[in-house]
Amino acid sequence: EDQVTQSPEALRLQEGESSSLNCSYTVSGLRGLFWYRQDPGKGPEFLFTLYSAGEEKEKERLKATLTKKESFLHITAPKPEDSATYLCADINSGYALNFGKGTSLLVTP
Amino acid sequence: DAGITQSPRHKVTETGTPVTLRCHQTENHRYMYWYRQDPGHGLRLIHYSYGVKDTDKGEVSDGYSVSRSKTEDFLLTLESATSSQTSVYFCAIFSGGNTGELFFGEGSRLTVL
Repeated sequence: EDQVTQSPEALRLQEGESSSLNCSYTVSGLRGLFWYRQDPGKGPEFLFTLYSAGEEKEKERLKATLTKKESFLHITAPKPEDSATYLCADINSGYALNFGKGTSLLVTP
Repeated sequence: DAGITQSPRHKVTETGTPVTLRCHQTENHRYMYWYRQDPGHGLRLIHYSYGVKDTDKGEVSDGYSVSRSKTEDFLLTLESATSSQTSVYFCAIFSGGNTGELFFGEGSRLTVL
């Protein structure tokens, strides 16, 4: 059974304190690994899609990387506005998207 | 912003009544999904569609049915709503392929009393 596991469940950082969020997946025949940001009361906002091991993508203070069994979301010098829940999901050969439970990030000034 | 809208955005209903949520897209994307999001469970897939009249079940499909008679519309129906179906429902669209991006709507909050 396809499982997506995110860690940690919650993370508190000081502004400027860099860290990484982890997403491990078990699906075989990965068609894509997605990262989203979700603010309270809103729908998930698309950040990145990664398709093959070794791939990296960047957007402002965020960088996503992918290996054969996990993905990392690196946050460099975070700001309070980066506080949100970060979700990852894999997509299998049938194009069903399976989500982890998310990491709740709080960045304090 | 991706052209995806959900309706209604908020609904309160009573146990045993039928409810239909609508997802409408203007992107002509092939794949459409319905998720529910609950505290402690994250986003769970209810049903998804890979084309007109082509649908498949997700992990929490019991008590839900879907229909897709046009590319742009994906309907989620609760035939007889129960309190356990109180949730926030999200629709998503995906173009497929190795460069596609998957976008979500703003959600529909359903309360079943």
